[in-house]
Amino acid sequence: QVQLQQWGAGLLKPSETLSLTCAVYGGSFSSDYWIYIRQSPGRGLELIGEINHRGTTIYNPSLKSRVSMSLDTSKNQFFLRLTSMTAADTAVYYCARGLGYYGSGGSYTRGVMDVWGKGTTVTVSS
Amino acid sequence: IVMTQSPATLLVSLGERATLSCRASQRVDRNLAWYQQKPGQAPRLLVYDVSTRATGIPARFSGSGSGTQFSLTISSLQSEDSALYYCQQYNNWPRTFGRGTKVEIK
Repeated sequence: QVQLQQWGAGLLKPSETLSLTCAVYGGSFSSDYWIYIRQSPGRGLELIGEINHRGTTIYNPSLKSRVSMSLDTSKNQFFLRLTSMTAADTAVYYCARGLGYYGSGGSYTRGVMDVWGKGTTVTVSS
Repeated sequence: IVMTQSPATLLVSLGERATLSCRASQRVDRNLAWYQQKPGQAPRLLVYDVSTRATGIPARFSGSGSGTQFSLTISSLQSEDSALYYCQQYNNWPRTFGRGTKVEIK
């Protein structure tokens, strides 16, 4: 059974960089894809980006200029960096596993999060 | 794609049926999922592919719909079903979520 454990700094000053780590226990790190999402009262649930086991990434266009994701397959970990943090980036940040499946039409489909970390509360304040 | 959920709050008695709605601003085919979130917890996947229950999800949860209109039905509400429920489309990038429906016990 896959479990995700996440950690990172919870209090940042404006302009600082957020760095989060998500460790994957169990499952097949090398064949799945991995996601970061954030949640705030103002923005609701917002997908930040995805990374597959090859390191190919795709980011939310609203954050693309500030975000980068990477992974370390030797440690079964993946990472989030978000630069130039502001108060608007205050949120709970989650890591998650992406679920892929074959739909009724036979095509491979992805985009659902089936395993989530517990979340990291990140506050940006001077 | 903007996902609109209604109602914002749903009051239902124990054992009664709860029906939650989700509308997409454009067609999402079958790429629609539902999540449940309780206070202080991460969302939990309930349903994907419109109507496929995720592993371990009780049969009282069912999803339906097509195109732009979708529903999540809880056939007989249990006390542990009191939570926030979100729909999510994954037909287009970026994936987007609705703002949620809060289900409360009457």
